[in-house]
Amino acid sequence: SYELTQPPSVSVSPGQTARITCSGDALPKKYAYWYQQKSGQAPVLVIYEDSKRPSGIPERFSGSSSGTMATLTISGAQVEDEADYYCYSTDSSALRVFGGGTKLTVL
Amino acid sequence: EVQLVESGGGLVQPGGSLRLSCAASGFTFSSYSMNWVRQAPGKGLEWVSYISSSSSTIYYADSVKGRFTISRDNAKNSLYLQMNSLRDEDTAVYYCAREEWSGLYYFDYWGQGTLVTVSS
Repeated sequence: SYELTQPPSVSVSPGQTARITCSGDALPKKYAYWYQQKSGQAPVLVIYEDSKRPSGIPERFSGSSSGTMATLTISGAQVEDEADYYCYSTDSSALRVFGGGTKLTVL
Repeated sequence: EVQLVESGGGLVQPGGSLRLSCAASGFTFSSYSMNWVRQAPGKGLEWVSYISSSSSTIYYADSVKGRFTISRDNAKNSLYLQMNSLRDEDTAVYYCAREEWSGLYYFDYWGQGTLVTVSS
């Protein structure tokens, strides 16, 4: 089965840049999407189609993709950005797949 | 405003059954594909099942295939998940999620989830 691999945790100080990676063999042909999930809440989309930002998402959130790796970047991370982040894509059969999630700590 | 409200969760014994519902409002339900996604306590998100707008296409994750059945009633703006032969590892918060297309299928709106606990 298809897997998307993320680091379990990333830690930065407020104001620093946080980068969360997601690797998957199909990413050269499939877009990556990123969801933010704060404790006890439903996930919220923060990046779609590798690098596009939905309305209402702060400009400090950006995304990129190269080869088999997609990256979510939070420039000038703030305390309120502390959350779990999940990458998402589909495999060649269009089955939906989430990465294992990355816990972002900002302190 | 798009709203998805899940219900039907609760405590069930291993081997038991449960039916989850998701009431949709604020959009034309019959035009959208829908999904169930779950999250075990302290774990990551796991996609469970997909159903197309007309119910003509259905997919399941291998972990639930043969035990869970997804369905919908467009006249009632409702999505369902019938869960049979439940196991301890099915314990999770179950979210219904609307599916959108933009380069790829993805989930644009989520409900708040309903907790299913499988335990004796």
